[in-house]
Amino acid sequence: KAGVTQTPRYLIKTRGQQVTLSCSPISGHRSVSWYQQTPGQGLQFLFEYFSETQRNKGNFPGRFSGRQFSNSRSEMNVSTLELGDSALYLCASSLRGVQGDIQYFGAGTRLSVL
Amino acid sequence: GQQLNQSPQSMFIQEGEDVSMNCTSSSIFNTWLWYKQDPGEGPVLLIALYKAGELTSNGRLTAQFGITRKDSFLNISASIPSDVGIYFCAGFPTGANSKLTFGKGITLSVRP
Repeated sequence: KAGVTQTPRYLIKTRGQQVTLSCSPISGHRSVSWYQQTPGQGLQFLFEYFSETQRNKGNFPGRFSGRQFSNSRSEMNVSTLELGDSALYLCASSLRGVQGDIQYFGAGTRLSVL
Repeated sequence: GQQLNQSPQSMFIQEGEDVSMNCTSSSIFNTWLWYKQDPGEGPVLLIALYKAGELTSNGRLTAQFGITRKDSFLNISASIPSDVGIYFCAGFPTGANSKLTFGKGITLSVRP
């Protein structure tokens, strides 16, 4: 069974640009969560999607958005990039995203904003 | 909101030594998870715990769900160089709609 796949693995952008990251969950998983990871800050929760609907949202500005498709694949978009957006963006999938559901992570997309 | 506390931020041990890490919270948790993240990769699940007092092993790793349900422990025995990485605890607080909550992680270095 294939794991969580994130593309691309690496991205370099400049300030003001926008970027779209992609996540394919484990087959059968319907919940997809996104996290931002920066050194010393741990995993910061961005949002969670289930059945094409955003179910939970973290404390990030509106420049960060996402969506989920009918096949459970998810995309995350960041508009008007800032230097501080440089981070590892992780996607995790789980069966239903409910209490006790284990999240499985992809390898991440390393975004560098110059 | 609920927070999970992991400290210290970094640990340095000699190859062959055992190491213990703990994760604490001021709230009660229903599930505890331990993940390991290798450099440049995403976190990988090591052990999942579902009941207070539960003790579970995975090779050289052993984790326990604290009796108070407010803490969990991970022990690595006979460390080897590939144990290097960041160890995260995570858990589900009580509550039907609770989200998975992560600690900030402990970076483990193993000296050969």
